[in-house]
Amino acid sequence: EAGVTQFPSHSVIEKGQTVTLRCDPISGHDNLYWYRRVMGKEIKFLLHFVKESKQDESGMPNNRFLAERTGGTYSTLKVQPAELEDSGVYFCASSRGQGANTGELFFGEGSRLTVL
Amino acid sequence: KQEVTQIPAALSVPEGENLVLNCSFTDSAIYNLQWFRQDPGKGLTSLLLIQSSQREQTSGRLNASLDKSSGRSTLYIAASQPGDSATYLCAVRPRQGGKLIFGQGTELSVKP
Repeated sequence: EAGVTQFPSHSVIEKGQTVTLRCDPISGHDNLYWYRRVMGKEIKFLLHFVKESKQDESGMPNNRFLAERTGGTYSTLKVQPAELEDSGVYFCASSRGQGANTGELFFGEGSRLTVL
Repeated sequence: KQEVTQIPAALSVPEGENLVLNCSFTDSAIYNLQWFRQDPGKGLTSLLLIQSSQREQTSGRLNASLDKSSGRSTLYIAASQPGDSATYLCAVRPRQGGKLIFGQGTELSVKP
């Protein structure tokens, strides 16, 4: 069974440009999460999809970030326009179950974003 | 607001030692607690998941305990090996919602 896959593994862009990160969860996992680790800080939650619906987007930093999960399969996270402070590693995770039965999270290898 | 703290931030031990990594959390109303390992430049690998009703979980040389009332979890690694060198992360899932709240991690180095 394939794990959580993320693309690209590393992206270097200039301030003001747009970047789109993609995540393919484990097949059959309804829950998909985006997390971010900026340098020197702990990993922080961005948002949670249950199938195609946004369950919790309380961690999204501002309206320059847009996440979608059309059809409840893969998800994209777009940053537009990118700022220097957006640099970091963006992790995607998925899990089975819903609500109180949401289980173990499985993480991808992350997409490292560098904004110059 | 739930906060997760891991101590120490870094640890260096000789091969063969048994060691304990600590994780504390401020709100005992958790659904579960998960320990992860992260190798440099890699993603997070789930090591152990402890439900709030459980006291401990074991996998091979790893044993994780949970004391919800005191807001603590420990990860015990027996007979450490150089291949155990990595950053170990603790994360709690509050009773409400699906998100995890992470500590900053403990960077472990096991010297041959």
